[in-house]
Amino acid sequence: NAGVTQTPKFRVLKTGQSMTLLCAQDMNHEYMYWYRQDPGMGLRLIHYSVGEGTTAKGEVPDGYNVSRLKKQNFLLGLESAAPSQTSVYFCASSRQTGVNTEAFFGQGTRLTVV
Amino acid sequence: AQSVTQLDSQVPVFEEAPVELRCNYSSSVSVYLFWYVQYPNQGLQLLLKYLSGSTLVKGINGFEAEFNKSQTSFHLRKPSVHISDTAEYFCAVSRTGGGNKLTFGTGTQLKVEL
Repeated sequence: NAGVTQTPKFRVLKTGQSMTLLCAQDMNHEYMYWYRQDPGMGLRLIHYSVGEGTTAKGEVPDGYNVSRLKKQNFLLGLESAAPSQTSVYFCASSRQTGVNTEAFFGQGTRLTVV
Repeated sequence: AQSVTQLDSQVPVFEEAPVELRCNYSSSVSVYLFWYVQYPNQGLQLLLKYLSGSTLVKGINGFEAEFNKSQTSFHLRKPSVHISDTAEYFCAVSRTGGGNKLTFGTGTQLKVEL
């Protein structure tokens, strides 16, 4: 059981380039999330999805787009990367709200924009 | 909106000593409370959670936390730490019925020394 898998694990981009981060979960979770982690700031929610075909903005959505075409996948796109987007990105998934509310996290993608 | 404050960015402690990591939160609605641990270059792993019921919550690896509604706190404790507990610890909250979107504190780096 793989849980939440993120690809790639590392990436270096030049300013202005685009890329897509892939998140896949095999737990049949309804909810999926993208967070970014920056030193001294904890994790901040970028976008999230409450089901296939739905997406919504989180706390820091600017410069990112997402898609949830399949229930198990949640893609995070950067159309024109900027140095301010250098960060570690974490995907997470969870069941719908209930007594076993818990978010499961991937291993992270370390992105550097130069 | 919710917010989480972890006042201690770093906590050094000797092995076998007790430790307390502090977490305070602010919210106008009911929340669930979580502690996550992040080992170097890893994703986040759930230590424990408070959803309802007993205010003393026991988690993995000998950690426990107590929910104090009047002080809006959820401090994490361990009576005797081990070198392997060296990691970053994040306190987080989510609004009950709010789709499990987590708001994180800025993290506390626990460094256990011999």
